[in-house]
Amino acid sequence: QKEVEQNSGPLSVPEGAIASLNCTYSDRVSQSFFWYRQYSGKSPELIMSIYSNGDKEDGRFTAQLNKASQYVSLLIRDSQPSDSATYLCAPRGTGNQFYFGTGTSLTVIP
Amino acid sequence: DAGVTQSPTHLIKTRGQHVTLRCSPISGHKSVSWYQQVLGQGPQFIFQYYEKEERGRGNFPDRFSARQFPNYSSELNVNALLLGDSALYLCASSWRTVPNTEAFFGQGTRLTVV
Repeated sequence: QKEVEQNSGPLSVPEGAIASLNCTYSDRVSQSFFWYRQYSGKSPELIMSIYSNGDKEDGRFTAQLNKASQYVSLLIRDSQPSDSATYLCAPRGTGNQFYFGTGTSLTVIP
Repeated sequence: DAGVTQSPTHLIKTRGQHVTLRCSPISGHKSVSWYQQVLGQGPQFIFQYYEKEERGRGNFPDRFSARQFPNYSSELNVNALLLGDSALYLCASSWRTVPNTEAFFGQGTRLTVV
């Protein structure tokens, strides 16, 4: 049973702060990792992908991957109220299907 | 370019009925996957198709079936609907089926079974 665990929410941060979202996964053969943002009542929207150990930056977002520790994280700098959503961690293994966590709900307080 | 389109957006069915959900992938994408998302949970994998062939199946009963057409669009069929089938059904489109490939979701079909 492949499992994905995300830090329990809800997570609240003030506007302008850094939001840190964490994820651990059980499937050691997972090769690629994706972060999706999902607004209430909407479908998931891809915001970041990461395939190699280390950091990957895209604008205000930084994804970090450590395959040895089976850990992936997402940092959101200068958080904005529009970042308030549920963030889904999604490893993808050799079967090419996503295994989603239950998500972390983030609220950015103006 | 159009994104992933799903139809219908909302649907209400009665227990025991059958439902067909449809998905058109992004132009050029050959793989379609289906996911079920119940309230408060992450999406759960149902099926993956690539070039009209089933490439993966999740832990769902045989009441769930799917197919992919020559134009790469796809249908998800659910027979003998149960109340527990009420969920958001998501279609994800990607151009190939190797792990380092991004997938993009449609807006989903919200199915309510009464």
